[in-house]
Amino acid sequence: GQQLNQSPQSMFIQEGEDVSMNCTSSSIFNTWLWYKQDPGEGPVLLIALYKAGELTSNGRLTAQFGITRKDSFLNISASIPSDVGIYFCAGDSIQGAQKLVFGQGTRLTINP
Amino acid sequence: ETGVTQSPTHLIKTRGQQVTLRCSSQSGHNTVSWYQQALGQGPQFIFQYYREEENGRGNFPPRFSGLQFPNYSSELNVNALELDDSALYLCASSTPGANEQYFGPGTRLTVT
Repeated sequence: GQQLNQSPQSMFIQEGEDVSMNCTSSSIFNTWLWYKQDPGEGPVLLIALYKAGELTSNGRLTAQFGITRKDSFLNISASIPSDVGIYFCAGDSIQGAQKLVFGQGTRLTINP
Repeated sequence: ETGVTQSPTHLIKTRGQQVTLRCSSQSGHNTVSWYQQALGQGPQFIFQYYREEENGRGNFPPRFSGLQFPNYSSELNVNALELDDSALYLCASSTPGANEQYFGPGTRLTVT
């Protein structure tokens, strides 16, 4: 099935460092979303982006909807231990259709 | 407010058998989407139900079928199980046109 290209696949950082991950697609999406998934749980929505060029923040998280509508990035500033988990980008080709296409995920590990 | 619940939590089946997974949507949510998440991958859209009718389907064979009930709860049925059907099955509920879906914790299916 179709998936978005998400990178990096994994990250090992020190607490306090900033994190950046991105997602690209060969197709246009009209909504970009970023989710976090903890072990044994379903994905939880972090940020939703609805307009090309949009830059949105949620606390220490910032995400942008690429101008071409084929990419998005997520930044996490000043990482803390609870940021550990798997981050997924997701796109919806029709806004509000809720038939999401997901990336492969970025596994974030924070070294003590 | 009750979140999305799924049952069972874990399930082990033999190749060729049939399985039914259940999902109770969040209060007030009448749209339910099902996703398959293979180990180490992002979720893949299976299908969506709205007003008890299938409202869109991903690239999954007909042996994956579903139901939605008047109380908006839903079932995912898989016939003739194959080894590759082993995955975490996620249910997400939402209201029509909304961009946010709320995911349940998933059902881990193992096919041996």
